[in-house]
Amino acid sequence: QKEVEQDPGPLSVPEGAIVSLNCTYSNSAFQYFMWYRQYSRKGPELLMYTYSSGNKEDGRFTAQVDKSSKYISLFIRDSQPSDSATYLCAMTARDGGTSYGKLTFGQGTILTVHP
Amino acid sequence: DADVTQTPRNRITKTGKRIMLECSQTKGHDRMYWYRQDPGLGLRLIYYSFDVKDINKGEISDGYSVSRQAQAKFSLSLESAIPNQTALYFCATSDRLAGLLNTGELFFGEGSRLTVL
Repeated sequence: QKEVEQDPGPLSVPEGAIVSLNCTYSNSAFQYFMWYRQYSRKGPELLMYTYSSGNKEDGRFTAQVDKSSKYISLFIRDSQPSDSATYLCAMTARDGGTSYGKLTFGQGTILTVHP
Repeated sequence: DADVTQTPRNRITKTGKRIMLECSQTKGHDRMYWYRQDPGLGLRLIYYSFDVKDINKGEISDGYSVSRQAQAKFSLSLESAIPNQTALYFCATSDRLAGLLNTGELFFGEGSRLTVL
């Protein structure tokens, strides 16, 4: 079983829809949770970052973490065609300050928002 | 110009050939990484380097080697390429402070697509 499982999609929605992207994980040491967005033929870029449980909002995007259920979500409100991309969840444990870029990524969900 | 530059962007090669993928960065970051991306598997870490003298294996290092020629340059080599190394390879960098804060922000290049026939 993979440490991080992400709904593979692909997901196709009409413009203006609310999109929900989800990941589950098995490693209880994970405390830092991220969402990366990857446009076609580009590298991933950090979209949202959350520490521990709770919600974080940034414009049309809301990241939600439920550590008790080992479940994270990204919600996109009023989705736009420009949101069409692959969304990757990523997470890492806290290691006393010697952290490196050993993120564990989900498989990625391809999202298409059509006009 | 891109902050993290990978060359070549696309490469087709044959089984058994030696291949080098190069990465250079202008972000001034001390940490550099090589990931590979496969459909359905996400991104997996191959090697990472905290500085020129520090190189570490990631989760899938077999069949790969790396060289950190300078703070800004990190290359990935496939000594004898095989078809299951066909993938999209990404170089990434991060700042030490971001690592201490565990913000997880990696800065990726645009990728090198490698096909091994």
